[in-house]
Amino acid sequence: DTGVSQDPRHKITKRGQNVTFRCDPISEHNRLYWYRQTLGQGPEFLTYFQNEAQLEKSRLLSDRFSAERPKGSFSTLEIQRTEQGDSAMYLCASSLVRASGYTDTQYFGPGTRLTVL
Amino acid sequence: AQTVTQSQPEMSVQEAETVTLSCTYDTSESDYYLFWYKQPPSRQMILVIRQEAYKQQNATENRFSVNFQKAAKSFSLKISDSQLGDAAMYFCAYRDDKIIFGKGTRLHILP
Repeated sequence: DTGVSQDPRHKITKRGQNVTFRCDPISEHNRLYWYRQTLGQGPEFLTYFQNEAQLEKSRLLSDRFSAERPKGSFSTLEIQRTEQGDSAMYLCASSLVRASGYTDTQYFGPGTRLTVL
Repeated sequence: AQTVTQSQPEMSVQEAETVTLSCTYDTSESDYYLFWYKQPPSRQMILVIRQEAYKQQNATENRFSVNFQKAAKSFSLKISDSQLGDAAMYFCAYRDDKIIFGKGTRLHILP
């Protein structure tokens, strides 16, 4: 079990640029979540996938944000036309939802820290 | 909507002593999960302990235990025999499909 991995770990970009982050979940996990964490705050939910289907999006996820999980494995989160307010840690988590509907614990990746200058 | 409140932004405890972190939550659901996560400085979020709401028995993991009061919607974390490695942000969290986190409590361990 290699855990949840995220790439890159750090990203510095200029305002107006587009950025894309990648998350690789634990291999057998069918649920994948994205959260955003600003300094000194708890993580806030952005969106989640069950396999390749995006099941819920937070109102925090503006039109500039898009997430995909095309083959039900890794996921990407893209931010277009970045703004300084997008500076945050972007966390990915994954879990296994069993056939019974029971959802196991979410395991978090190390995060991608985005700085928008 | 569900909410999670941690009223202690920071706490300090002497090494080897016991500390309790407070958490309250609000929900209209009867079946749910509660968690405490630990986030060391610049490091990954780690699950400390989980509690299923349908279980009356309080969860325990080694030096970590919870006091779950369902009627009062209270879910505190007790850390016994505090160690320097326990220094971190601690987040109380409620889960339906997604996780809703509190704002966190920064725990300092004094040598």
